Parts: sequence; structure tokens; C-alpha cells
Amino acid sequence: GEDVEQSLFLSVREGDSSVINCTYTDSSSTYLYWYKQEPGAGLQLLTYIFSNMDMKQDQRLTVLLNKKDKHLSLRIADTQTGDSAIYFCAERRDAGGGNKLTFGTGTQLKVEL
Amino acid sequence: DAGVIQSPRHEVTEMGQEVTLRCKPISGHDYLFWYRQTMMRGLELLIYFNNNVPIDDSGMPEDRFSAKMPNASFSTLKIQPSEPRDSAVYFCASSLAWLAGSTDTQYFGPGTRLTVL
Repeated sequence: GEDVEQSLFLSVREGDSSVINCTYTDSSSTYLYWYKQEPGAGLQLLTYIFSNMDMKQDQRLTVLLNKKDKHLSLRIADTQTGDSAIYFCAERRDAGGGNKLTFGTGTQLKVEL
Repeated sequence: DAGVIQSPRHEVTEMGQEVTLRCKPISGHDYLFWYRQTMMRGLELLIYFNNNVPIDDSGMPEDRFSAKMPNASFSTLKIQPSEPRDSAVYFCASSLAWLAGSTDTQYFGPGTRLTVL
């Protein structure tokens, strides 16, 4: 399909791990990104992974990439209330894709005490 | 750096009026992007510029929308005449070197929330 897909909602307890999943569309995408959007704010880049990598870790964030299945995930360890936001994955389509970012639908993460 | 600056942050207008949204990219960034975010369609790229020149405007919805970049530090997105279905959050983003193979990314402004009554 044409769409980058994400589940709409995720609820976790403070201190637990969160895993947000994404299925992208273009096997030739070179970079895949995770952005965070807090209420009333723009998108903030969290991390990205190059397509020839399987995993990238950055402090509490771990990105896993399965190129065969075109599946991307973001794990947030020790989730805090400040992590409550909408998380967008995005694929960068270079080859024939107009050199554009295509965003997923966003996953709203709610962190409960 | 102050980041990408957009103005106004909120705009309420009546159908048929002209609306102008403004963006100041991060200094030194050669690429500028305009996006629209709605509940129904998510985040869509409208147009992007490289060195003030429009590169891809295939996402611009129709002739009522126009975008300009008269210099490296300023861009506008204009809607004339506006319609209720244009109500959305419009984001501007900039990038230092959005080239194929580049590790650079896009930095987003806070957005303009447009409501057309």
C-alpha cells in the first residue's frame, strides 16, 4: 500500500517500556525517522536509523528495523509522564520517491501513573 | 538558533478571505518545506524549496494555494480564497542539506493553526 501505518493509541504505566510500531511502504527508503509531537507544538526529531542498520540505541530509545518485513519499532525504556505525546514514524523516499518524507498516521502515547 | 519561526500561531478567518502564513527557516538552511496536518489526512507535504526555488509543488491542493520564497530567510503560503476545508495546522520545516544520501533531517516550526469559518 501507499500508507505508512501505525496503531492509533498506546497506553502504558509510568516506569514500564513502551513499544510503538510502524509499517512502511518503500523498500528503497534510505532513512527512517521517529518524531515526537506534543500538544500545540511542532514535530521534534527523536532519532533516525539508516536502512542498512538493524538497531540503534540512544539513551532510553531503541529503534529496531526489519527491512524484510518493512517494520520499524521505537522502544522507550522507563516511560515517563513527559513522554506522553503523538509519535510519528516517517520514511525518506529517495529513489523515485521525489526525495520526500512520508509520515505515518501517528501513535498517541498515554502514560498513566 | 531560534529554530524555525512561524507566524501567526493562530489564524481565524471567514470563508472567502485571503490568508497568508509566514515562515522564517533556520539560518543557513537551504531547504524549506510546507506541510499541512489534519485529522483526516495526517501530515502532507505541500511544497518544498531549495535555495529559494520551488522544487516540488505536487502536494499543493489547488490553485487557491500559492507559496513563495523571495529570499533565504522568508517564505509565505497564501490561500485565496480560503474555504472551511482548509482548516488545519500548517507547518514549515527547514533542512540544511536535504540531498539524497544526506543524513540531515528536517526541523519543524511550531505550526499555524488555521480556522476558516
